Parts: sequence; C-alpha cells; structure tokens
Amino acid sequence: AQSVTQPDIHITVSEGASLELRCNYSYGATPYLFWYVQSPGQGLQLLLKYFSGDTLVQGIKGFEAEFKRSQSSFNLRKPSVHWSDAAEYFCAVGPGGRRALTFGSGTRLQVQP
Amino acid sequence: DTEVTQTPKHLVMGMTNKKSLKCEQHMGHRAMYWYKQKAKKPPELMFVYSYEKLSINESVPSRFSPECPNSSLLNLHLHALQPEDSALYLCASSQVTGAGSYNEQFFGPGTRLTVL
Repeated sequence: AQSVTQPDIHITVSEGASLELRCNYSYGATPYLFWYVQSPGQGLQLLLKYFSGDTLVQGIKGFEAEFKRSQSSFNLRKPSVHWSDAAEYFCAVGPGGRRALTFGSGTRLQVQP
Repeated sequence: DTEVTQTPKHLVMGMTNKKSLKCEQHMGHRAMYWYKQKAKKPPELMFVYSYEKLSINESVPSRFSPECPNSSLLNLHLHALQPEDSALYLCASSQVTGAGSYNEQFFGPGTRLTVL
C-alpha cells in the first residue's frame, strides 16, 4: 500500500526567506505526486503535480517541486515566501486508476514578518 | 468553469435531524468524491463515484448516504449523526481519462458540519 510522510508538522519562516517542505512516499511503481495547499477553513488547492518527464515541476504561486526517485522524495520549494503563503500544505500520492489520493499528515507553515 | 461548489458552507444539526450536503461541478468530470477532514488532520476518503455509480465506499457508517443524481451533482445525505461526525466535508472531482487523471482532483471549499 502506498503511504506519504511529511516529517515536519510545523515550520516557521521569515517573510522573504526560502522554503522547503519535505515529502517522502512509499509506492511500488512510479507514483503520481501532488502538493495541495489549504488555508484555514477552506478547501484544498492544487499547487503542482508530477506524473512523468521532467523531475522539476513548476506550480502556481511561485512554487516548485523536485521528484527524486532514489530518495523517494517530492520536496516543495519556494525561493521567497510571502505572508499569504501561511497555510497547511499536503503532499499526496496516487497510484492511478480508480483509487483516490493518499495524503500525508500535512505541514503547517507560519510566516513571520 | 473550473470550480467545485458546495452548499451550505456551514451546517449545525441535532442528532435526530436529516440534512443534505450538496456539491456541483461543471468541468465535465465524471469522477466525484466525498472526503471528511477533522481539525489538523488530512482529508479521509469516504466515497467515490465514477460515471454516476458508486465505486468506492471506505466502510463509512450508513448514517452517511451518498447520491449522484447526474454527472454534475453529488449529494451526501445525513441522518442520525453523532457529535464525532462534526468535521469539514470536502467534495472533489476529477477526469477519468488520461495519465493520472483520476488523481488530479479539484476540491470545493467544504461544508463545516457541527453535530450537537
């Protein structure tokens, strides 16, 4: 069965600093990988996705993520964080077909002025 | 239209009430999902509909009854709920063709349910 681990429950960064959120997955074949963001009381917004091809994927809001098969990782990065980026971030994996997403436990990002 | 809408935004109900949550999308997606999300937790899958047929029920109690009347609408009927059912209920939709398409899910804003 697939699983997703987000080792950092809570991260605080200063506005303008760089950000990296970690995600490790376990899946037997090539996974479909996603990062979602959720503001308090809101639904989930898709930031970016990886299906195949270039292992560095660009998303919305200036985010990018790099798929590293050897490390089973799909870390999310942003070079300069804005106060509006404060939210909960979920990494998710999908095996394709009819099964739905498996989410990591989430990382809460706080941004200090 | 790339939006999934959900109504109501908030719902408070007693344990003997019957209520329904509604979800709508007009993206032509033929898979629709219900998730339950407790505070500070990731979403948990409840049901999946594919081409208006229930394809996955993740052992959800019968007090939750899903319905997919057409390709754009998804309902969740609630009856005799317990206080522990209080949560954010999220609807999502996705395509059913193309690589990974089942997994690229678009979420609605959710219904915040409180059971008294």
